[in-house]
Amino acid sequence: ETGVTQTPRHLVMGMTNKKSLKCEQHLGHNAMYWYKQSAKKPLELMFVYSLEERVENNSVPSRFSPECPNSSHLFLHLHTLQPEDSALYLCASSFRLAASGANVLTFGAGSRLTVL
Amino acid sequence: GQNIDQPTEMTATEGAIVQINCTYQTSGFNGLFWYQQHAGEAPTFLSYNVLDGLEEKGRFSSFLSRSKGYSYLLLKELQMKDSASYLCAVRFNNAGNMLTFGGGTRLMVKP
Repeated sequence: ETGVTQTPRHLVMGMTNKKSLKCEQHLGHNAMYWYKQSAKKPLELMFVYSLEERVENNSVPSRFSPECPNSSHLFLHLHTLQPEDSALYLCASSFRLAASGANVLTFGAGSRLTVL
Repeated sequence: GQNIDQPTEMTATEGAIVQINCTYQTSGFNGLFWYQQHAGEAPTFLSYNVLDGLEEKGRFSSFLSRSKGYSYLLLKELQMKDSASYLCAVRFNNAGNMLTFGGGTRLMVKP
């Protein structure tokens, strides 16, 4: 247990479904992240929330919608996904985005998503 | 974009030493991280380098050469539990100080 908890750990959904991934941290961090990890590809940053400001990767499709109601909780809402969206979705948290120092990310174990 | 290159897979023997290399584009460099990820688990932080040289932490060491855009992770006295993926990540100050990850190196330790 890393201090970052993700649920569900596994999710299978059809292309017309709507589901959400949840992430929770109690480490006192104030930045939270969604990463996508596909087979044989680098971790891809999708969204960052830092001090309630959102930064996003412009290449992420609008069928992924993040929500960060407070500094401890982060959601990823999923709708009308495609089979190529099947991947491991990792949540991470850290202290504020730092321009220097070992601003270490603490990751959750991930939500394995399969889109049929 | 900033490419981070590392070998896809490596195999080594228990008790041996293995070096995992990582190269990156030097423009905007602002720190390099190594993470370990066991199958089905969260990536966990191993090391951080921002200045040239070697950082040692038990059996693991990480080296950085900023001018060459090069780092390596050195694992000594390999144990079976070291079988995992090792992720190199670089913070670029011209990318909002977000981390850019390499594809990871899957290390298999054999008896």
